[in-house]
Amino acid sequence: GQSLEQPSEVTAVEGAIVQINCTYQTSGFYGLSWYQQHDGGAPTFLSYNALDGLEETGRFSSFLSRSDSYGYLLLQELQMKDSASYFCAVRRTGRRALTFGSGTRLQVQP
Amino acid sequence: DAGITQSPRHKVTETGTPVTLRCHQTENHRYMYWYRQDPGHGLRLIHYSYGVKDTDKGEVSDGYSVSRSKTEDFLLTLESATSSQTSVYFCAISESKRTSGSKNEQFFGPGTRLTVL
Repeated sequence: GQSLEQPSEVTAVEGAIVQINCTYQTSGFYGLSWYQQHDGGAPTFLSYNALDGLEETGRFSSFLSRSDSYGYLLLQELQMKDSASYFCAVRRTGRRALTFGSGTRLQVQP
Repeated sequence: DAGITQSPRHKVTETGTPVTLRCHQTENHRYMYWYRQDPGHGLRLIHYSYGVKDTDKGEVSDGYSVSRSKTEDFLLTLESATSSQTSVYFCAISESKRTSGSKNEQFFGPGTRLTVL
């Protein structure tokens, strides 16, 4: 089986850096993805780590360590518009569909 | 943005009635998915399709059926709606790529908010 655990809520101030962790238990997967969802909106793809290490896309970075069954999303120079829910997800080996974590609600304060 | 629409966007129905939600894509993507989203549970897979008339169950498929008669349309049917099926339903699509090259990227529709009274 597989499960992904994330903190339910994180609060940070504008301009700061925040890290959202994702720990997982799965027998095998292709990589770790991150999705962002604003209230009332649809999830949108943010990043993907197929291999261990850091992937950077602008203000967002994502990290994966398969040996530690752990990954994180790093958001820098936080802006008010970053207030949203963030989901980690994996695609299990041999499967096409994603399994999502329960999500982390990020609140950015002025 | 990927061309995905869902209809209806909002629906209120009564327990025991049949409900069909429609997902339509204009991207010619092979894979289509139905998820439900509930507080504290994230997104959970109901059913998915890997081609016309090819579907498979997800982790929360009980009480739901799907059909895909055309590449662009994926229907989700609640044969007899129950209050536990009150949720937000998202359709998603993804491309067919070699596993090693896949970004696990799925494109989501705007969602359908279903309330079963």
